Amino acid sequence: GENVEQHPSTLSVQEGDSAVIKCTYSDSASNYFPWYKQELGKRPQLIIDIRSNVGEKKDQRIAVTLNKTAKHFSLHITETQPEDSAVYFCAASTFNNAGNMLTFGGGTRLMVKP
Amino acid sequence: GAVVSQHPSWVICKSGTSVKIECRSLDFQATTMFWYRQFPKQSLMLMATSNEGSKATYEQGVEKDKFLINHASLTLSTLTVTSAHPEDSSFYICSARDQASGGELFFGEGSRLTVL
Repeated sequence: GENVEQHPSTLSVQEGDSAVIKCTYSDSASNYFPWYKQELGKRPQLIIDIRSNVGEKKDQRIAVTLNKTAKHFSLHITETQPEDSAVYFCAASTFNNAGNMLTFGGGTRLMVKP
Repeated sequence: GAVVSQHPSWVICKSGTSVKIECRSLDFQATTMFWYRQFPKQSLMLMATSNEGSKATYEQGVEKDKFLINHASLTLSTLTVTSAHPEDSSFYICSARDQASGGELFFGEGSRLTVL
C-alpha cells in the first residue's frame, strides 16, 4: 500500500517568513496530492491540491510542487501570518471514480510567531 | 463547498457501552464514505471505507466486529463503537467524496469520544 512521509513534524517561523513542508510517497500509481490544514479540534480543510499531470500549482500565498520522478511534493507558504498556525497534512491517493482513499502524512505543526 | 456533518461532536460514555456516530452528506450523495481515527497530535488513520449498500472495507488491524459500519443510504454512514473501552477514546472523523465537485473529499467536524 501507499506510505507517505512528512517532514518536518514541527516548524516555527517568524511572521512574514516562508514555510516549506515536504512529503514523499511510495506508490508510483498515486496521482492526487491534497494538502489539508487542521486547527485544534476541528476538521481538516483542503487548502490546495495537485494532480500528477502538473508540476506546480499556486493559490495566492500557497503553492505546491510535485516531482513525480522523485515521488515527492512540497507545500510552500509565503508571507506567513499568525493565522497560518495549524497542523498541516499532506496526502496521496489514486484518484478514480471508485473512490478516493487518502493516505496521510504524519502532519506538521506550523507555528507562526508574530 | 459541499457539507459533511457528524453527530455527536462530543460523547462521553461508560466502559462497556456502545456509541453510534453519524456522518451525513448534507447536499450531495456519497456512495463512498471514509472513517478515520485521530489520536492527539497524530495523523488521521483510515479505519474503513464505507460503501453504500454493501459491506465496509476495513483496514488491517481494525476490528470489524468492534467498529460496526453501516451505510444504508447515499447520505448517511454510521460508525458504532461496540463495548467501548478507554483505549477507544479518540477523535473520529468521517469524509465523503463529492463527485460533482471534481471528487474533492469533504470532512465531517469530527466526534470526540471519551470512554470512562
